[in-house]
Amino acid sequence: QQKVQQSPESLSVPEGGMASFNCTSSDRNFQYFWWYRQHSGEGPKALMSIFSDGDKKEGRFTAHLNKASLHVSLHIRDSQPSDSALYFCAASEPNNYAQGLTFGLGTRVSVFP
Amino acid sequence: GPKVLQIPSHQIIDMGQMVTLNCDPVSNHLYFYWYKQILGQQMEFLVNFYNGKVMEKSKLFKDQFSVERPDGSYFTLKIQPTALEDSAVYFCASSLARTANSDYTFGSGTRLLVI
Repeated sequence: QQKVQQSPESLSVPEGGMASFNCTSSDRNFQYFWWYRQHSGEGPKALMSIFSDGDKKEGRFTAHLNKASLHVSLHIRDSQPSDSALYFCAASEPNNYAQGLTFGLGTRVSVFP
Repeated sequence: GPKVLQIPSHQIIDMGQMVTLNCDPVSNHLYFYWYKQILGQQMEFLVNFYNGKVMEKSKLFKDQFSVERPDGSYFTLKIQPTALEDSAVYFCASSLARTANSDYTFGSGTRLLVI
């Protein structure tokens, strides 16, 4: 079983709309979470990190973390065609560097005009 | 922003041969990583490297794999000999610190096909 699971697998959003997708972890040792975005042919780029319960907002992006349920979500407001990409959730343990970052399979977001 | 460069972007190699994947990390970063992504699967940690030494490695980091960064040049992943199951995209990453909450900068990947 994957330790980091993402849903949905894919998502279509109209330009200007809200894109929302989720990540859950089955490992209670994970305390730090990231969202990475990967455009076709490129490497993943860190969008934002979240380490505390609640919301974290950066521009059009808002991440929400619930540590009790190990659930993280990402919301993209006013979606743009350039937001079309594969979004990865990644997690790590505070004191265990041995496994690096653990990634999910990703949610593919398509923004249509 | 700062970039991690990976060379080559694609590589096709015969099974059993040696391959070296090259990575030019962000200039002031101190920690270097390799991740492997098989088509349709998640990206998985292989190894991290600091101050000339492997710090941690996963069970995916087989005996046929080795990493080095001779004289501060490219950070390399060598596979010798290659096997069919080594076909994947290999991502290099670097970070300034090795705390669990550090941001990583990833390269665009090397797509390796072993035939």
